[in-house]
Amino acid sequence: AQSVTQLGSHVSVSEGALVLLRCNYSSSVPPYLFWYVQYPNQGLQLLLKYTTGATLVKGINGFEAEFKKSETSFHLTKPSAHMSDAAEYFCAVRASLGTGTASKLTFGTGTRLQVTL
Amino acid sequence: NAGVTQTPKFRVLKTGQSMTLLCAQDMNHEYMYWYRQDPGMGLRLIHYSVGEGTTAKGEVPDGYNVSRLKKQNFLLGLESAAPSQTSVYFCASGAWGSGAFFGQGTRLTVV
Repeated sequence: AQSVTQLGSHVSVSEGALVLLRCNYSSSVPPYLFWYVQYPNQGLQLLLKYTTGATLVKGINGFEAEFKKSETSFHLTKPSAHMSDAAEYFCAVRASLGTGTASKLTFGTGTRLQVTL
Repeated sequence: NAGVTQTPKFRVLKTGQSMTLLCAQDMNHEYMYWYRQDPGMGLRLIHYSVGEGTTAKGEVPDGYNVSRLKKQNFLLGLESAAPSQTSVYFCASGAWGSGAFFGQGTRLTVV
């Protein structure tokens, strides 16, 4: 069984400020973790992923995330917010082992990021 | 590359009508998924498939059926539409370590 909790359904930051979107996961086996972004009336686009190897992963648009096994977290950060970052962000988890049901990709409920001047 | 293509993009149904949503991918992915997205609830998995000819239930399968007769296509059927099925439906495809690639969505309204 696996699940994702995203803390904060809405986050507001000023342009140029640090962006921090929180994600905690639960998984009975080692996880693969993903962050997606969704702009209005569009599908989801993959920002970054953690599968194996380095726990700090870099993605598109200057975002990065760090896998912390001891904290079961995969928080998304960006040093300096831009107006174009305003969107909804989803964290997702999948099992790294197994077959069949292990291919299920489970999403959190999303965090809407607002960027103000 | 087209990626993942969903048909149709918009549809209005009357209660009790049936319809099929088509998803096609050109990336030779083994896995395909159908999600529904509702405000405040994120994406909920309806059904998924781990390969041609296989399907499995997700979190919210009731009222939906699926088929994957060809590797590149994944069909989602509503046999008797209900207002509770008003939602945005997303199809996605993926490989084991690659995450999932999403279509642009189908906005369905059941009146």
